Amino acid sequence: QKEVEQNSGPLSVPEGAIASLNCTYSDRGSQSFFWYRQYSGKSPELIMFIYSNGDKEDGRFTAQLNKASQYVSLLIRDSQPSDSATYLCAVRGRDDKIIFGKGTRLHILP
Amino acid sequence: NAGVTQTPKFQVLKTGQSMTLQCAQDMNHNSMYWYRQDPGMGLRLIYYSASEGTTDKGEVPNGYNVSRLNKREFSLRLESAAPSQTSVYFCASSDVFGTGLAYGYTFGSGTRLTVV
Repeated sequence: QKEVEQNSGPLSVPEGAIASLNCTYSDRGSQSFFWYRQYSGKSPELIMFIYSNGDKEDGRFTAQLNKASQYVSLLIRDSQPSDSATYLCAVRGRDDKIIFGKGTRLHILP
Repeated sequence: NAGVTQTPKFQVLKTGQSMTLQCAQDMNHNSMYWYRQDPGMGLRLIYYSASEGTTDKGEVPNGYNVSRLNKREFSLRLESAAPSQTSVYFCASSDVFGTGLAYGYTFGSGTRLTVV
């Protein structure tokens, strides 16, 4: 059974600080990794994707991938109250199916 | 540019009733998906269609059927609704399937279904 694991939270971070979200996956052959943001009552929105080991930066967001350790992380710098949401980690395996984690609730404290 | 459009947005059914959830995308994507999202369970794949003319079961297909009507449209049918099918249903589409790379999904706004 392929799994994607995330801490459900809530993760509380002061405004302006760095929020760090983590995700582990079981399928060592996984090829593509995604972070989605989901506001309450809304649909998931893709914010980052990464294929290769290392870091990928996009504005205040940085995705980090370590295939040897089978983990993916998302860093949010200068956290804003509008970043308060549930963040879903998703992994595409060799069978091309995407498996989602259950999400981490992030709360940015004003 | 509408992206992925789902109808209806809300629905209440009685146990045993049937209904079809509609999904259409205007991004010329080949692949389309149906997920359900339940508290504490995350997003679970019901059915997917890698390309027009093909459909395959996902993680939780029991009680559902799908039809890929054309490249744009992918419908989900509940033949005899049960309270366990109360959930939020999301349709999604993506541009790439089968190449090992992925561009992620674009999700519709969801259908909130209650079965009483």
